[in-house]
Amino acid sequence: GAVVSQHPSRVICKSGTSVKIECRSLDFQATTMFWYRQFPKQSLMLMATSNEGSKATYEQGVEKDKFLINHASLTLSTLTVTSAHPEDSSFYICSARGQGEAFFGQGTRLTVV
Amino acid sequence: GIQVEQSPPDLILQEGANSTLRCNFSDSVNNLQWFHQNPWGQLINLFYIPSGTKQNGRLSATTVATERYSLLYISSSQTTDSGVYFCAWPYSSASKIIFGSGTRLSIRP
Repeated sequence: GAVVSQHPSRVICKSGTSVKIECRSLDFQATTMFWYRQFPKQSLMLMATSNEGSKATYEQGVEKDKFLINHASLTLSTLTVTSAHPEDSSFYICSARGQGEAFFGQGTRLTVV
Repeated sequence: GIQVEQSPPDLILQEGANSTLRCNFSDSVNNLQWFHQNPWGQLINLFYIPSGTKQNGRLSATTVATERYSLLYISSSQTTDSGVYFCAWPYSSASKIIFGSGTRLSIRP
């Protein structure tokens, strides 16, 4: 199957700082990528849909100024958590769709202290 | 929006047992996928199954779109099968992938 690479896999940052997470589709072009957030023992919740060359579409309740998404090319999308706070600590996962099927990155575990 | 239920929510089995996981959805769906999330959080693609039956080793899946459900079968369970199993599908109007609530499977040695 297709490969989606997400970095970093784990990050610890201080409250008030910003963190950038990268998501790359390694062997296919993804016009659309997705960002999810997962709390312990819960399902994946879609945060936003990222389209190459245009603004991301955020789900209801997701602060677009807090979670900045950029999709600069057909193989790269980034999520920046700005002014992070402890409540932003979570597991973030990106996804890219190929020919219908979706593939997922390894996830990033963010801890804000 | 589309509602989906996965059952059972939790399942504990002995190694070697067989299991059936179910995904019920409230509206017609296509391009349904099954995933296994391992203990490290990685989502592994199991099946991409709009309809019909597919098999891959000890795992198989069946989707009956007209009756709005999909089943994942695991035979001769191994401890490495432990984790959470999700069904998911594209919400057609926006092509975003929506996840079910998951089934947490624990295989005891």
